[in-house]
Amino acid sequence: LAKTTQPISMDSYEGQEVNITCSHNNIATNDYITWYQQFPSQGPRFIIQGYKTKVTNEVASLFIPADRKSSTLSLPRVSLSDTAVYYCLVGFGAGSYQLTFGKGTKLSVIP
Amino acid sequence: GAGVSQSPRYKVAKRGQDVALRCDPISGHVSLFWYQQALGQGPEFLTYFQNEAQLDKSGLPSDRFFAERPEGSVSTLKIQRTQQEDSAVYLCASSSNNQPQHFGDGTRLSIL
Repeated sequence: LAKTTQPISMDSYEGQEVNITCSHNNIATNDYITWYQQFPSQGPRFIIQGYKTKVTNEVASLFIPADRKSSTLSLPRVSLSDTAVYYCLVGFGAGSYQLTFGKGTKLSVIP
Repeated sequence: GAGVSQSPRYKVAKRGQDVALRCDPISGHVSLFWYQQALGQGPEFLTYFQNEAQLDKSGLPSDRFFAERPEGSVSTLKIQRTQQEDSAVYLCASSSNNQPQHFGDGTRLSIL
């Protein structure tokens, strides 16, 4: 399973765009990149998943360069409710079963 | 509800007692997973079921941990002779058709 590296914490003001970058130098050809969000006392919640280039949904965008050794989760105009831990994961196939979470990035949104 | 349901939400047990944690996956989801999350850490994989078959139990920390899913739906994670280091949040997730996993809100287990 590919190992990921992401910042331990980040701070942002409300209304700003937040970009969280994850490194995954050993990503395999069949690996997908998936991001989860976790609030205190809740289970992780799926945000977005991609394989290459750019993926966008109603919550976030995911940018993946051509070499796929990193990815960037972009959250537009964050609010206080976006304060959470964000996990970057890579795994075989879109529905990788043995997810390896790491410690994630603690995002704190400041009013 | 439509999501993964876990019960109880909180469980306190004395060291040495046995505990059982329940997971109701999303209806129709073939795959079911258990994770353990220590305070301040990300979830760690414990075991995986496809229908009633336990295909991977490589993450179970000891033979005191046992999981079952006898009818391919509800699953139970059992911990025998609990120890203080078993204190953690136990998360259950389910998925279908190679889609991302959906998590429940977990059971917080405290061993006194």
